[in-house]
Amino acid sequence: AQSVAQPEDQVNVAEGNPLTVKCTYSVSGNPYLFWYVQYPNRGLQFLLKYITGDNLVKGSYGFEAEFNKSQTSFHLKKPSALVSDSALYFCAVRSLLTGKLSFGAGTTVTVRA
Amino acid sequence: EPEVTQTPSHQVTQMGQEVILRCVPISNHLYFYWYRQILGQKVEFLVSFYNNEISEKSEIFDDQFSVERPDGSNFTLKIRSTKLEDSAMYFCASRAQGSGANVLTFGAGSRLTVL
Repeated sequence: AQSVAQPEDQVNVAEGNPLTVKCTYSVSGNPYLFWYVQYPNRGLQFLLKYITGDNLVKGSYGFEAEFNKSQTSFHLKKPSALVSDSALYFCAVRSLLTGKLSFGAGTTVTVRA
Repeated sequence: EPEVTQTPSHQVTQMGQEVILRCVPISNHLYFYWYRQILGQKVEFLVSFYNNEISEKSEIFDDQFSVERPDGSNFTLKIRSTKLEDSAMYFCASRAQGSGANVLTFGAGSRLTVL
């Protein structure tokens, strides 16, 4: 079975500081990894994905993620956080067979002004 | 930008009642999904649907749940006899087929409250 884990329930940073949201994965074979963001009372919005290729993936809103095979990690990063980045972030892994996404538990990011 | 549309945005129902949640996927998408999120918790997979049949379902998706694509545009989730623990946000998602098809696009969700 494939899964992802988000070890932190909450991440708090000051505006302008770097933001990192951690994710580790457990899959057999090559992983297809995703990050989604959920703003309050909204649906899930796609941020970025890793399928193959460069380990550093760039996505929406200035976010990027680094795929690290040796550490089985796919951490989400933003060099300079904004208050508007405050949201719930989900890491997910995709089944190659069905396309089903399996989500991590989510990390609540709070960026203070 | 194309989007997945879900109705109703919020439904309140009595325990034991039937509920139908509706979704209009993106028009050229071929794979459809339902997920649910109990308040403040993890997003859980319910079911995936392709070529007019269920391709995968979770243990949550028991006999009380069913899905249907009745008219080629709508994709519905029916809960036959709701329980208190069915209270959650239900998300529909769809994706296309092909090499660029790995991204699931989610709707804004339907909040179900069972009293």
